[in-house]
Amino acid sequence: ELKVEQNPLFLSMQEGKNYTIYCNYSTTSDRLYWYRQDPGKSLESLFVLLSNGAVKQEGRLMASLDTKARLSTLHITAAVHDLSATYFCAVHYTGTASKLTFGTGTRLQVTL
Amino acid sequence: NAGVTQTPKFRILKIGQSMTLQCAQDMNHNYMYWYRQDPGMGLKLIYYSVGAGITDKGEVPNGYNVSRSTTEDFPLRLELAAPSQTSVYFCASSHQVSGTEAFFGQGTRLTVV
Repeated sequence: ELKVEQNPLFLSMQEGKNYTIYCNYSTTSDRLYWYRQDPGKSLESLFVLLSNGAVKQEGRLMASLDTKARLSTLHITAAVHDLSATYFCAVHYTGTASKLTFGTGTRLQVTL
Repeated sequence: NAGVTQTPKFRILKIGQSMTLQCAQDMNHNYMYWYRQDPGMGLKLIYYSVGAGITDKGEVPNGYNVSRSTTEDFPLRLELAAPSQTSVYFCASSHQVSGTEAFFGQGTRLTVV
């Protein structure tokens, strides 16, 4: 069974602090995505990670991929309130015609 | 650019009624998908299509049907609506190129009462 697990499920952090969201997946994948979802809104693509060791950064967010450990991380640096949202990782499993399996999401709340 | 357009945005159905959720994309993407998102949960794949005339089941297909007569359109049909189908439905599309992310529509919030 294909499984994608994120932790934590909920994260409350103060502005200015750093934190990491983890995404573990159960079998071989050739690409992994991170999405952001604001309440009541659609999903916005943040990063696409295609290979082992891939690292991508945009502003205060940095995503990395370790295919051997089947682990991706989303690191938040010096959080600001505008980053409050739910973050999903989604894994494409090799040979599954571009279907994505989503994690349950991490709801991030950044407080003053 | 319109991207992925879903209609309607909101709908309330009575148990046993049927409806079609519309999805259209203008990016000439081969692949299209329907997901549902239950409160506080991730997305689960209902059906997907890799091109016109080709559809296949995802993780949770029961109670739904799809068709793909054109590249642009991928409607989702609910027959005999049940309260368990209360959810937010997202349509997405992507190009047939490795590494291309899926683009999502704005969602349809469906309540079955």
